[in-house]
Amino acid sequence: AQKITQTQPGMFVQEKEAVTLDCTYDTSDPSYGLFWYKQPSSGEMIFLIYQGSYDQQNATEGRYSLNFQKARKSANLVISASQLGDSAMYFCAMRENTGNQFYFGTGTSLTVIP
Amino acid sequence: GAGVSQTPSNKVTEKGKYVELRCDPISGHTALYWYRQSLGQGPEFLIYFQGTGAADDSGLPNDRFFAVRPEGSVSTLKIQRTERGDSAVYLCASSSTGGGGTEAFFGQGTRLTVV
Repeated sequence: AQKITQTQPGMFVQEKEAVTLDCTYDTSDPSYGLFWYKQPSSGEMIFLIYQGSYDQQNATEGRYSLNFQKARKSANLVISASQLGDSAMYFCAMRENTGNQFYFGTGTSLTVIP
Repeated sequence: GAGVSQTPSNKVTEKGKYVELRCDPISGHTALYWYRQSLGQGPEFLIYFQGTGAADDSGLPNDRFFAVRPEGSVSTLKIQRTERGDSAVYLCASSSTGGGGTEAFFGQGTRLTVV
């Protein structure tokens, strides 16, 4: 089974609007971390936000917030007040405490329209 | 340097040749990862180092791939007898520890093209 599923290959959002990028995950490990990365056309993976499985509150980092629904195993990224520079690929990732690797989804391509 | 550095940024090689890709992690980071990213895909795990030892090499696709990190800092990914299917972007990442809650910082990647 896929560890990370991102079902939106491409998304469009109007500048200054909010957008939600979906991510569901699969693990039997009770302790894990969830991460979102941004990959612009330059290719570098840029860390955006982290949510721990035991965190009671949703993580926030500036205009990024993570909508963590543990029972549904979802970790959606919300970007508020979209900017043109937000246009990029976005990857959801998970690392289990008992494991060594980060599992990545297939990504969502976000385009911000002026 | 401040970030993870990978060299070369681009490498074109002929089928059957040997290549080495270098990764210079963030100073002090004990955990180092190699990933491979094909066009339109997410990064695919290759190998993980904690210090000098390869703690997990389960992602290496076959014995043509090998990686070392002799002094616990710089790492080299080595590919023997390259094949056209090896063409991809090879990403290196490092993190301060290997714990589940620690983010990894990635380099710009090496784009390998096998012709």
